[in-house]
Amino acid sequence: AQTVTQSQPEMSVQEAETVTLSCTYDTSESDYYLFWYKQPPSRQMILVIRQEAYKQQNATENRFSVNFQKAAKSFSLKISDSQLGDAAMYFCAYREYGNKLVFGAGTILRVKS
Amino acid sequence: DTGVSQDPRHKITKRGQNVTFRCDPISEHNRLYWYRQTLGQGPEFLTYFQNEAQLEKSRLLSDRFSAERPKGSFSTLEIQRTEQGDSAMYLCASSRDHQPQHFGDGTRLSIL
Repeated sequence: AQTVTQSQPEMSVQEAETVTLSCTYDTSESDYYLFWYKQPPSRQMILVIRQEAYKQQNATENRFSVNFQKAAKSFSLKISDSQLGDAAMYFCAYREYGNKLVFGAGTILRVKS
Repeated sequence: DTGVSQDPRHKITKRGQNVTFRCDPISEHNRLYWYRQTLGQGPEFLTYFQNEAQLEKSRLLSDRFSAERPKGSFSTLEIQRTEQGDSAMYLCASSRDHQPQHFGDGTRLSIL
């Protein structure tokens, strides 16, 4: 079964600084998708960024970018110029083509002003 | 695009009672997913539908749980004879084919 591991239960970053959240996964598949979702307290889960495994280029979305290392099964999220609104629980998730999401346990990100 | 809607937002019930939750997906989304999230953990997959067909069920979905999606529109998740361990946030998500899933606000279930 596929598993997703987020080894950092909690991270802190100073406003305007950069932070990297780690994620590793285990799969025997070659074609899959990886996602980072953000869940603010008592609010809806929102898609931050996604990566298709067959693409070599790392995905970027404004201040958010990933470092995808397929051989190492690593998928980290970098948040640049951190803002107070970035404070949330961040989940790394794995999905086989067309199927369910498998989530990690999450990383709480705190942003200090 | 009005987003995924879930009702109710909160449900408090006594152990042994039955509860039913509703999810209205984004219109034109043919896939609908149910997840369960306990405090401090990531969501866990329960089941998913493509149109009205239930295509996959997790082993987490005991025989006390049943989900339906009549006519491929809204979906209901029913839990019979609720137990303390059923206390959780129940999340619904929808997608168009293999596009990214969009989540609702969830229904928080508390068992007294």
